[in-house]
Amino acid sequence: AQKITQTQPGMFVQEKEAVTLDCTYDTSDQSYGLFWYKQPSSGEMIFLIYQGSYDEQNATEGRYSLNFQKARKSANLVISASQLGDSAMYFCAMRVYNQGGKLIFGQGTELSVKP
Amino acid sequence: DVKVTQSSRYLVKRTGEKVFLECVQDMDHENMFWYRQDPGLGLRLIYFSYDVKMKEKGDIPEGYSVSREKKERFSLILESASTNQTSMYLCASTDTDTEAFFGQGTRLTVV
Repeated sequence: AQKITQTQPGMFVQEKEAVTLDCTYDTSDQSYGLFWYKQPSSGEMIFLIYQGSYDEQNATEGRYSLNFQKARKSANLVISASQLGDSAMYFCAMRVYNQGGKLIFGQGTELSVKP
Repeated sequence: DVKVTQSSRYLVKRTGEKVFLECVQDMDHENMFWYRQDPGLGLRLIYFSYDVKMKEKGDIPEGYSVSREKKERFSLILESASTNQTSMYLCASTDTDTEAFFGQGTRLTVV
């Protein structure tokens, strides 16, 4: 069975500092994709970054980077230079392509950025 | 612009009622998903569909069913609503190579 685990229910970070949000996953499939989403208090789901299981380089999108360690089955999100607007829930997700494209999410991490 | 629309933002239903939650996407996506979101539990997959009339159970299908008669529409049905189905329900759609796009969510309260 597939599973996504986010072990940090809540985190604090000082403005302008970097922060790492942890995500581990479990699947026996070789073909999968890993995603991070942001959910501000307004409730919308905002896509941040994607990493394919066959991608050799870590994905980056602006201030977001995904630290992909395949052997450890981890896909941590790194946010550099945190901003007040980064305060939100963050969800890690995995898509398993050999199972009809099933997309599952972790429990989420609530990030609070302090001024 | 990409759009996933859920029929209601807020719903209040009585215990035992049959409840329909509708989701429509305008992106011609093959895949559609229904989740419920509860504090501390994240998004849990109820059902998903990878083609018209095709459906697969997610992790928590009990008490729910789905219908996908047309590609753009994916309906979630609560056959007999119960108070433990009070939650935020999120619909999403995606193609094989894209991220998922979400609707605005339906906050369902069962009294």
